[in-house]
Amino acid sequence: DAGITQSPRHKVTETGTPVTLRCHQTENHRYMYWYRQDPGHGLRLIHYSYGVKDTDKGEVSDGYSVSRSKTEDFLLTLESATSSQTSVYFCAIMGWDTIYFGEGSWLTVV
Amino acid sequence: SQQGEEDPQALSIQEGENATMNCSYKTSINNLQWYRQNSGRGLVHLILIRSNEREKHSGRLRVTLDTSKKSSSLLITASRAADTASYFCATDLNFGNEKLTFGTGTRLTIIP
Repeated sequence: DAGITQSPRHKVTETGTPVTLRCHQTENHRYMYWYRQDPGHGLRLIHYSYGVKDTDKGEVSDGYSVSRSKTEDFLLTLESATSSQTSVYFCAIMGWDTIYFGEGSWLTVV
Repeated sequence: SQQGEEDPQALSIQEGENATMNCSYKTSINNLQWYRQNSGRGLVHLILIRSNEREKHSGRLRVTLDTSKKSSSLLITASRAADTASYFCATDLNFGNEKLTFGTGTRLTIIP
C-alpha cells in the first residue's frame, strides 16, 4: 500500500459539467501524476506535479487542469466534461525510481 | 505516441508454463520498468532494470534489456493462475525519471 487515496472512485456526470478528482498521499513525495487509461492506448500522462504549486503538462493535457496547494493533495479538474473524457483516471506518486499507483477513478460522461 | 510497445497484445498459456512478453521503445532511456495490473485495479511495480544492466531477476521474474535493439523482455517462469493480469513496460526519457511513458500492455491469461 503506497498511501494513495483517490476520490471519488466512481462518478457519472453530464456533458458540460465541471468535475474534480482528488488524489491524496500520505508519503510526502514530491512528484505526483495523473494518468488516464483507455483501451488501445495504455496509460497516458495528463499532468504531473513536482512540488507545491509546480505543475507541468503531459501528453494529453487538453481539457484538463490541475492544482497542488499542499504536498499531499493533487487535484485534477475537467472544466467542462466531454464524452471523450470518459475513462479511468489513475493518480500516482514517485518514490525513488518507482511510480506507485492509486486504485483508479472511473469517470463516465453522459 | 507511445514510447513503449508490448508484444504480444494478448497471451494465453497453461498453468506451469513460462510466459514471455516483449517491449520495444523508441528513444534512449535511463531505465525500464515492468508493471502488473489486475483487472479493475491500479498498476503494481514489478521490477526495474537500468540501462547499464542486461538482465535482472526477482523471484519467478526475469527481465532482459537490449539497449542496442531498444527492447526488453519479461519472463515469468512456472506461471500460476494468480499471474493472470495485464503487464506494462514503462520507460523514462534519458534526462530523468520524472515522467514514465507506458506501453499499451500485454494481457496474460493463465489457464488452470
